[in-house]
Amino acid sequence: DIQMTQSPATVSASVGDRVTITCRASQSITGWLAWYQQKPGKAPKLLIYKASNLESGVPSRFSGSGSGTEFTLTITSLQPDDFATYYCQQYNTYPRTFGQGTKVEIK
Amino acid sequence: EVQLVESGGGLVQPGGSLRLSCAASGFTFNTYGMTWVRQPPGKGLEWISHISGNSGTIYYAGSVRGRFTVSRDNAKNSLYLQLSSLRAEDTALYFCARDYYDGNPNPKTDYWGQGTLVTVSS
Repeated sequence: DIQMTQSPATVSASVGDRVTITCRASQSITGWLAWYQQKPGKAPKLLIYKASNLESGVPSRFSGSGSGTEFTLTITSLQPDDFATYYCQQYNTYPRTFGQGTKVEIK
Repeated sequence: EVQLVESGGGLVQPGGSLRLSCAASGFTFNTYGMTWVRQPPGKGLEWISHISGNSGTIYYAGSVRGRFTVSRDNAKNSLYLQLSSLRAEDTALYFCARDYYDGNPNPKTDYWGQGTLVTVSS
């Protein structure tokens, strides 16, 4: 199975900050990577697919980049609604696998 | 509007069985693959199964293969997950989700239900 490793586990940030989360795959997944946002008690929400494509309705302050084994999610100008946990997921092969999550908390 | 509503969760003893359901609406169900993902309390997401639109292709995570069975009834716009030989570590919120083929060979998982809680305990 492909292992996905996110870093950091927690980010403490303030409104207006730029936040970057990294996701590494144990082998190449070309660009088949998705990013999800999850708030407590809620279902995950798709933000980015195919590494850099913004899902419809997602604010443009979210962006994704990378290919192969290393990927990043960037939130420019963090907003109050963005405090949540973020997960990467590879969908290059089955079984699909998630990173362990990165919690973005208020500094 | 796409809607996915899970049901069937509850408290079950170790070794027991349970059948989860997911009712889908707002899209042409039989043209989409579907996925189950679970989340233990306070922990991360774990992908557990995928089934294609015509049930011709099925995949499982190693942690559930041989114990869980995914199926669907396209006439009823419903997805199912049969859980057997349940263990304490199967305790989790179980989500169903839609897999969307947007012209790419690998579908993205876009819409999710709110989940149904399964608790395995004596």
